[in-house]
Amino acid sequence: GAGVSQSPSNKVTEKGKDVELRCDPISGHTALYWYRQSLGQGLEFLIYFQGNSAPDKSGLPSDRFSAERTGGSVSTLTIQRTQQEDSAVYLCASSWSGSSTDTQYFGPGTRLTVL
Amino acid sequence: GQQVMQIPQYQHVQEGEDFTTYCNSSTTLSNIQWYKQRPGGHPVFLIQLVKSGEVKKQKRLTFQFGEAKKNSSLHITATQTTDVGTYFCARTGGSQGNLIFGKGTKLSVKP
Repeated sequence: GAGVSQSPSNKVTEKGKDVELRCDPISGHTALYWYRQSLGQGLEFLIYFQGNSAPDKSGLPSDRFSAERTGGSVSTLTIQRTQQEDSAVYLCASSWSGSSTDTQYFGPGTRLTVL
Repeated sequence: GQQVMQIPQYQHVQEGEDFTTYCNSSTTLSNIQWYKQRPGGHPVFLIQLVKSGEVKKQKRLTFQFGEAKKNSSLHITATQTTDVGTYFCARTGGSQGNLIFGKGTKLSVKP
C-alpha cells in the first residue's frame, strides 16, 4: 500500500503566522510520530501518538507547538506564531504498534521556511 | 533518554574504499536501529539489532551490536556512488517507541 504522506511538501511563511502540517500514516499503523530535522542536523523527536491514548508531548520545544490526531489516522502539527528558528524539515513517521522494536516508516517531510 | 554519539560526522571516500560509522552510548541499549537518508530524502530504515554481539549483513553492509550493547557499527565494503547519504543510528527513547537519533555520518563517495 501507499507509504506515509505529508503535505504540503514546502511551506514558506512569515514570522508570526500560524502553520498547519499534515501527515497521513500508513493504513493500519496505530503509532504516529513527529520529528524535526534542522539543516544538517539529526532528527529531534517532537510528539508521539499511540491509538487512542493521550499523546506523548515530551519533545515539543514550546507551547507554540501542538498536534492532533483525528480518528486514529491523520495527524496535524500546528505551529503558532512561527519564529525563524522553527525553520526545518518536519518529518512524520508511523509504525504498526508503537513497540520499541517496530520499524518506523518516514514520510517525505514538509520543509518549513519562516521568513 | 540518553543521546547516542555517532562518529565520524563526515567521511569522504574514493569509490571502492570501505567505510565505517560508529555509534556509542553511555548506557546499555535495548536495541539499535540504523537508517539511511539520501540527499534531499527522508530516513529509510535499514536494520535493527537486538542481541548482544549480533552481526547482520545486507549485501555490502555489515551491522554489528557490541557485546555490552553500548555500541554499534555499520561497515560498507567497496563503496559505490549509490551509498552516498547520511547514516543515522537510533535508539528507542523509553517505554514509548520514539527514536533518539545520533547526529549521523554524512558519506560522500568520489567516483
